Amino acid sequence: LAKTTQPISMDSYEGQEVNITCSHNNIATNDYITWYQQFPSQGPRFIIQGYKTKVTNEVASLFIPADRKSSTLSLPRVSLSDTAVYYCLVGGYAGNMLTFGGGTRLMVKP
Amino acid sequence: DGGITQSPKYLFRKEGQNVTLSCEQNLNHDAMYWYRQDPGQGLRLIYYSQIVNDFQKGDIAEGYSVSREKKESFPLTVTSAQKNPTAFYLCASRIAGQGGEPQHFGDGTRLSIL
Repeated sequence: LAKTTQPISMDSYEGQEVNITCSHNNIATNDYITWYQQFPSQGPRFIIQGYKTKVTNEVASLFIPADRKSSTLSLPRVSLSDTAVYYCLVGGYAGNMLTFGGGTRLMVKP
Repeated sequence: DGGITQSPKYLFRKEGQNVTLSCEQNLNHDAMYWYRQDPGQGLRLIYYSQIVNDFQKGDIAEGYSVSREKKESFPLTVTSAQKNPTAFYLCASRIAGQGGEPQHFGDGTRLSIL
């Protein structure tokens, strides 16, 4: 199973772009990279997912280099409401056992 | 609306007592998961099930038990053998066998010791 490593915490200011990087050196061929957002006392919420290169949706972008050993979640122009914990999850078809890492606690300041 | 319902939202356990946390989904998902989250920590996998009548242990299964008699339901029992059960418990589901399908989560059950 691919283990993930993320920074424990990050600070930013409103309106800035935030990039959170996740390392996953032993990612398997079938594994996808998925990012979730979690607010206190709530379940994680899906943000974005990718397999390789770049993926963009209405809330974020995900950059994945060719070797897929890391990925970067990019949040454009963050607001106070983006203060949350962000989890990188690597997994896929094999075994369907999905293990979360420790997450990155993002604090957005005014 | 399709989704995952966890109940109760808050639960209290007495010493030596077993308690059961409910998780129901109407998303027609095959795979279901139980996670434990301690304050300020990430999610740790307790049990998961890919199909009815089958389930596997996750990283921290000791002191917990599950059943999967119906596709929609995956209840978790916290037994008296779990000596430190106070935590936030999250249930999730996803389409099994599809590599990229993300998990959908419930709103959690917070368990405390009386």
